[in-house]
Amino acid sequence: EVHLLESGGGLVQPGGSLTLSCAASGFTFSAHGMSWVRQAPGKGLEWVSGISGTGGSTNYADSKVSSRFIVTRDNSKNMVYLQMNSLGAEDTAVYFCAKHSAFNYAYASYFDSWGQGTLVTVSS
Amino acid sequence: QSVLTQPPSTSGTPGQGVIISCSGSSSNIGRNSVNWYRQLPGTAPKLLICDNDQRPSGVPDRFSGSKSGTSASLAISGLQSEDEADYYCTTWDDSVTDWVFGGGTKLTVL
Repeated sequence: EVHLLESGGGLVQPGGSLTLSCAASGFTFSAHGMSWVRQAPGKGLEWVSGISGTGGSTNYADSKVSSRFIVTRDNSKNMVYLQMNSLGAEDTAVYFCAKHSAFNYAYASYFDSWGQGTLVTVSS
Repeated sequence: QSVLTQPPSTSGTPGQGVIISCSGSSSNIGRNSVNWYRQLPGTAPKLLICDNDQRPSGVPDRFSGSKSGTSASLAISGLQSEDEADYYCTTWDDSVTDWVFGGGTKLTVL
């Protein structure tokens, strides 16, 4: 059974940094792309970043996070990470880790499993 | 403002059917498959329909999806109280090279 467990969320001051982690199990980790999707309080879903199975290809939601966030993965540990810098109030959200149905994180795949999410609150 | 357009809300009575629409453009729905998710309050989204009209294992056949041109639809028949949730459509957008979502549709079972 696929299991995704996010951690690392919490309260951070504006301008601060935070690194989220996602521990994966129950599938061949390196064979699947992974994404981070966030949901602000009371709002809809928003894709943040994706990374291919080997980690050789990454992408970010342009203009919103591309210059501030970095997605990485460690296939030896079945972990994916999201390093977030220069955080602002607009980044306050539950961050979900999602597994893709294929090796890539883009077209011809879909999010087939999700973690329960970790809450990031940016406030002074 | 979401790239994909969904009605904010819809409702139905137990046993009835409802259809939730998702409108996009040639760069997203027009070129790529649409997927649908259900989200209960305080929980993670769950995959309902993938590749426009495919039901993953375990999803009841009360749920069906379709796509035509730059629009897609999720149909739910035989409404049950546990269907009360938020429903989201999503697809890849070739223009912005991002995954885009609809704003979500809140389904109320009266």
